[in-house]
Amino acid sequence: EPEVTQTPSHQVTQMGQEVILRCVPISNHLYFYWYRQILGQKVEFLVSFYNNEISEKSEIFDDQFSVERPDGSNFTLKIRSTKLEDSAMYFCASSESARELFFGEGSRLTVL
Amino acid sequence: AQSVTQLGSHVSVSEGALVLLRCNYSSSVPPYLFWYVQYPNQGLQLLLKYTTGATLVKGINGFEAEFKKSETSFHLTKPSAHMSDAAEYFCAVSAAGGTSYGKLTFGQGTILTVHP
Repeated sequence: EPEVTQTPSHQVTQMGQEVILRCVPISNHLYFYWYRQILGQKVEFLVSFYNNEISEKSEIFDDQFSVERPDGSNFTLKIRSTKLEDSAMYFCASSESARELFFGEGSRLTVL
Repeated sequence: AQSVTQLGSHVSVSEGALVLLRCNYSSSVPPYLFWYVQYPNQGLQLLLKYTTGATLVKGINGFEAEFKKSETSFHLTKPSAHMSDAAEYFCAVSAAGGTSYGKLTFGQGTILTVHP
C-alpha cells in the first residue's frame, strides 16, 4: 500500500540552527500538508501546498518557515532559525483530492 | 472557524466491552468529519470519515461513527474492544468546501486502553 514517508524520524538541533524535514508523498497525490504536534497539545495545521504554491497557512507558519517541492517527489519543510518552542512532532500529509489525507509517521524535532 | 472537543483524554475498557469515544465539533460551515488513530511510533491512520450522505459511517477495524447535526457530535463506537485497539484516537473537522478541505482541526486526542 502506498504510504507517505518522512525523514528524519528524529532530529536534535541547537537553537538558531536551520532544519529541513523531508517528506515523500504518495506519488499521484496533488495536495501536500504539514502539521505539527507539540508534546501534550493538539495536532495543528501549518500549511497546505498545491500546484507548486502555498494555498493556505496558519498563524504559526511565519517567516521562519518555508516549504518547497524541489524535484517533483520530495516535499520539504524548512525552519530557518529554530527556537525552543519549535520542538514538536511534524507530520507530513498528502492527498489526491484534499478530501482524505494520508499522514506520514512524523519527524520528531528536538531543539536544545 | 472550527473546533473539536473530545470528551475524556483517557478511556479504559475491558476486552470485549463497548468502545465509545466522544467528539463534539463546532463549525460555521457544513463540516467534513474524521476519526484518525495513532498507534505508538506510527503516523495518523484514517479510521473513517463523514462527508455527505449517510450519517452512520463505517470504518476499518469494526469502528463506526454517527454524524448528528442537531447534537454537533460525531462519536466513535465499536461493539467489542480488542487488545489491538489500544491507541490514541483523534477526531478532526474540516470545512466542506473551498480550498480548505485538507485543513483539519483536531481534537486533543483520546488514549484508549484495553484491559484483558
